[in-house]
Amino acid sequence: DAGVIQSPRHEVTEMGQEVTLRCKPISGHDYLFWYRQTMMRGLELLIYFNNNVPIDDSGMPEDRFSAKMPNASFSTLKIQPSEPRDSAVYFCASSLWGTETQYFGPGTRLLVL
Amino acid sequence: DQQVKQNSPSLSVQEGRISILNCDYTNSMFDYFLWYKKYPAEGPTFLISISSIKDKNEDGRFTVFLNKSAKHLSLHIVPSQPGDSAVYFCAACTNAGKSTFGDGTTLTVKP
Repeated sequence: DAGVIQSPRHEVTEMGQEVTLRCKPISGHDYLFWYRQTMMRGLELLIYFNNNVPIDDSGMPEDRFSAKMPNASFSTLKIQPSEPRDSAVYFCASSLWGTETQYFGPGTRLLVL
Repeated sequence: DQQVKQNSPSLSVQEGRISILNCDYTNSMFDYFLWYKKYPAEGPTFLISISSIKDKNEDGRFTVFLNKSAKHLSLHIVPSQPGDSAVYFCAACTNAGKSTFGDGTTLTVKP
């Protein structure tokens, strides 16, 4: 398996623009997580899904952030409109029910100017 | 309220010596504790874990110790190698599948 795939790897955009981050989890995994890493806040969980259903979105900063998982092999994290304080590395991870280990993608480095 | 804390942002050790990374937690309901390792421009990768019912787990050069009464765990790396230089994250999770991460400790192993 190729592991968790994220795209794009880097994104530079201007304030106010819509940003869409994509993730393909490991085949067969039924949990999917979105994290954000910043210097100030470390690695924080934004939202996670189980069997494509959002379970906990309490980490989503505000209404500008939304996440979807239309099927078991694809998820998106959207920011609209984007702001400079959204600049961070966004990680997607997946795991298998009954195991505690999460497998992370390489991350998307987002810069909002 | 930060439930998982790594109080040392950085640690530097000499090659061949022991590296000890520490982690404290506040929630006694955590079922598993994990250590992840992260290199620059990559995602974290799983290193070793321990169940809350154990006090030690060993895998090669890596050993994790859990002290439930103190709500403290530590990762020992013996002997340390330059390739171990990375950011190490402590994580705690419940059976619900959700993990809470510490802020990470940057380990530098000097040749």
